[in-house]
Amino acid sequence: AQTVTQSQPEMSVQEAETVTLSCTYDTSESNYYLFWYKQPPSRQMILVIRQEAYKQQNATENRFSVNFQKAAKSFSLKISDSQLGDTAMYFCAFMKHVPGTYKYIFGTGTRLKVLA
Amino acid sequence: DAGVTQSPTHLIKTRGQQVTLRCSPKSGHDTVSWYQQALGQGPQFIFQYYEEEERQRGNFPDRFSGHQFPNYSSELNVNALLLGDSALYLCASSPTGGGNNEQFFGPGTRLTVL
Repeated sequence: AQTVTQSQPEMSVQEAETVTLSCTYDTSESNYYLFWYKQPPSRQMILVIRQEAYKQQNATENRFSVNFQKAAKSFSLKISDSQLGDTAMYFCAFMKHVPGTYKYIFGTGTRLKVLA
Repeated sequence: DAGVTQSPTHLIKTRGQQVTLRCSPKSGHDTVSWYQQALGQGPQFIFQYYEEEERQRGNFPDRFSGHQFPNYSSELNVNALLLGDSALYLCASSPTGGGNNEQFFGPGTRLTVL
């Protein structure tokens, strides 16, 4: 069975600084997808960034980038130039296709606080 | 586009009661998944509906049941509520086959069982 582990329950970073959130996962699959979702205090979960396992190039979305190490089963999120609005819970998620549909597994989350 | 909507926003029930939560998927989406998110935890998959059928189920007892309607909206029913059922219940939708593999989430329903 797949598992997703986020070992940092809480982190803080000064505004404008860079922070990296860690995620490791366990799977025997070769084809899968990885995501970082953000859940602000208002609760609605939104996608931050996605990575296809077959792509070697690390995904980047503006200030957000990932370090995907497939062999090590590691998928960390780097937030550059942190902003107060980045304060939220961040969830790492693993997704694979199963017959006719797909399956998501989430980590336990990292609470990030950006300090003014 | 209203995105994924859920109702009600908050709900308070007592042990042993039954509850129904509702979800309308994002326009163009036909697959709906339900998650339970306990305080300080990540979302736990309950089940997924597509074409009005339950396609997948997580490790939840039969007290948790669901339904999908022809317009793709969905309900989550929980019978014989326990204190441990208190959580945020999230609905997520996606197009057939997962589309671009992204799920869109609703704001959730906060269920409190007393």
